[in-house]
Amino acid sequence: GNSVTQMEGPVTLSEEAFLTINCTYTATGYPSLFWYVQYPGEGLQLLLKATKADDKGSNKGFEATYRKETTSFHLEKGSVQVSDSAVYFCALSFRIKAAGNKLTFGGGTRVLVKP
Amino acid sequence: DTAVSQTPKYLVTQMGNDKSIKCEQNLGHDTMYWYKQDSKKFLKIMFSYNNKELIINETVPNRFSPKSPDKAHLNLHINSLELGDSAVYFCASSQTTSGGGEQFFGPGTRLTVL
Repeated sequence: GNSVTQMEGPVTLSEEAFLTINCTYTATGYPSLFWYVQYPGEGLQLLLKATKADDKGSNKGFEATYRKETTSFHLEKGSVQVSDSAVYFCALSFRIKAAGNKLTFGGGTRVLVKP
Repeated sequence: DTAVSQTPKYLVTQMGNDKSIKCEQNLGHDTMYWYKQDSKKFLKIMFSYNNKELIINETVPNRFSPKSPDKAHLNLHINSLELGDSAVYFCASSQTTSGGGEQFFGPGTRLTVL
């Protein structure tokens, strides 16, 4: 079946540090890939996405590139802020019966940024 | 103007009770979903509906019954609640014709079964 593996947290770093969260996937075919972010006490928000190989998704200073050869979608940010403290989820999606999509999530990585 | 809303936000109840969680989306999407997030933050899909038709039904106890009165609403009814049902339940929606397939999530309902 399909699965997503991401590095376990928590990841603790200082403000302005470089952040990388590794994500790899196992899937039959070529899914769409996503990063979602969950701030404390809130629901999930889409952070960025990529729908085909070599696509780069970017938003709010975060970037991730769809690497088919390594089946990876690592999330990076060059300079984190305290407000980036959250849980980050990598996910993949396939269209089901041409109606809707089924998201498969990784286990989430908690990031804590200290001032 | 909330895109995906859920009620209630918190739900505390006794084992054996029956409860419902409501979800509404005003995005005009044609597909809606229910996800369960456990205490370790692991997220798993439970159901999805497209235009009121059940599309995805994962291995979920039949005590859980989703109902979609129209494509903007997807409610979740749970019978005979058990301790293991304690979790955060998220509703989401998407548009089938969206090439990216991204889903938009509600704020979640934290269910605590005592």
